Amino acid sequence: GAGVSQSPRYKVAKRGQDVALRCDPISGHVSLFWYQQALGQGPEFLTYFQNEAQLDKSGLPSDRFFAERPEGSVSTLKIQRTQQEDSAVYLCASSLMLDTQYFGPGTRLTVL
Amino acid sequence: DQQVKQNSPSLSVQEGRISILNCDYTNSMFDYFLWYKKYPAEGPTFLISISSIKDKNEDGRFTVFLNKSAKHLSLHIVPSQPGDSAVYFCAALNTRNTGKLIFGQGTTLQVKP
Repeated sequence: GAGVSQSPRYKVAKRGQDVALRCDPISGHVSLFWYQQALGQGPEFLTYFQNEAQLDKSGLPSDRFFAERPEGSVSTLKIQRTQQEDSAVYLCASSLMLDTQYFGPGTRLTVL
Repeated sequence: DQQVKQNSPSLSVQEGRISILNCDYTNSMFDYFLWYKKYPAEGPTFLISISSIKDKNEDGRFTVFLNKSAKHLSLHIVPSQPGDSAVYFCAALNTRNTGKLIFGQGTTLQVKP
């Protein structure tokens, strides 16, 4: 497909479990972003990669959140020891450089 | 500190009329602005953008206006169609920074047939 894909689309986790969310960006896109969207709010920035380098992780809410993009394409956002406040939609976006970002469908995480 | 604000949570217009969605920002370092449309259970879809060197950009039924002195932008949809019903997000970007988008809270547009 030509767009950004994310998996899984839905994830239910028990409090304390670790989760891993995957993002496949548009082929050839250098920049990759992760955002968190709470209900009724706009997306909020988590972290940014340029190829495999994580250049900005200022939005990660705690050290339980970790992201990687080892080969400069697919990215994984990992959340350790999930808490109820982590429940949100996690969006991935990619762009050719620092311009228009194209979003995936998101992963809805529910922590019980 | 909300750097991008959409003060109208919702807007309802009649099919065929104009929809005007507004957005205000506070950070003068923003130099690129985008509008996204979002349907339930989908990711935001890019609609239209504008660089700070312009004051207007048009794409079919969609026009974005930028007033830098007022730190205000608006999205005009003419004519509005029922399929335009969605949540619209305004986003701002400092291209000299890491490129992270700062989003407003969104405006829910309902276009009535």
